[in-house]
Amino acid sequence: EAGVTQSPRYAVLQEGQAVSFWCDPISGHDTLYWYQQPRDQGPQLLVYFRDEAVIDNSQLPSDRFSAVRPKGTNSTLKIQSAKQGDTATYLCASSFKVGERLFFGHGTKLSVL
Amino acid sequence: QQQVRQSPQSLTVWEGETAILNCSYEDSTFDYFPWYWQFPRESPALLIAIRPVSNKKEDGRFTIFFNKREKKLSLHITDSQPGDSATYFCAASVLGYKLTFGTGTSLLVDP
Repeated sequence: EAGVTQSPRYAVLQEGQAVSFWCDPISGHDTLYWYQQPRDQGPQLLVYFRDEAVIDNSQLPSDRFSAVRPKGTNSTLKIQSAKQGDTATYLCASSFKVGERLFFGHGTKLSVL
Repeated sequence: QQQVRQSPQSLTVWEGETAILNCSYEDSTFDYFPWYWQFPRESPALLIAIRPVSNKKEDGRFTIFFNKREKKLSLHITDSQPGDSATYFCAASVLGYKLTFGTGTSLLVDP
């Protein structure tokens, strides 16, 4: 069974640039999560979906961050105008349904200079 | 406000010793407490989890002790092995929604 796939693995930006992260969850998992993990900290939930619907995006900085999952499968997280404080690893996770075990991808390590 | 706290921030034990990792939480409605471990350059993975219907959950060398009244839990790793060296995250949620992670304990097991 394939795991959660994310791309790219690394991204380096100047402040003000835009970047998109892509996630392919495990087949059959209806719930998809995006977490931000700053260095030496625990993952912090940004947004999660059940199928194509956003269930909770209250922790997503809506002025610069956006996330979609249009067909209930793959998802894209976009940062419009990156800031140095966005430097972190962005983890995508999926679960068969809400409340079940999370399976994480390897993450995208973002550095904003 | 940090809803899930962990201590110590880092811990070193000798091979064969018992490592004890602590976790406390604020929200009394939390009803699911998984522990995830994360190896360097890897993503977190589920290790063991407990629900408050019980105060102990055991899986091999790993045991969670849960104290609902004090809103504390701990992860005990007996007969620690060098391969257990990782960062351990305590997490909590209500009915599995919005899993909140602590800041982690970095464990080093010296051979």
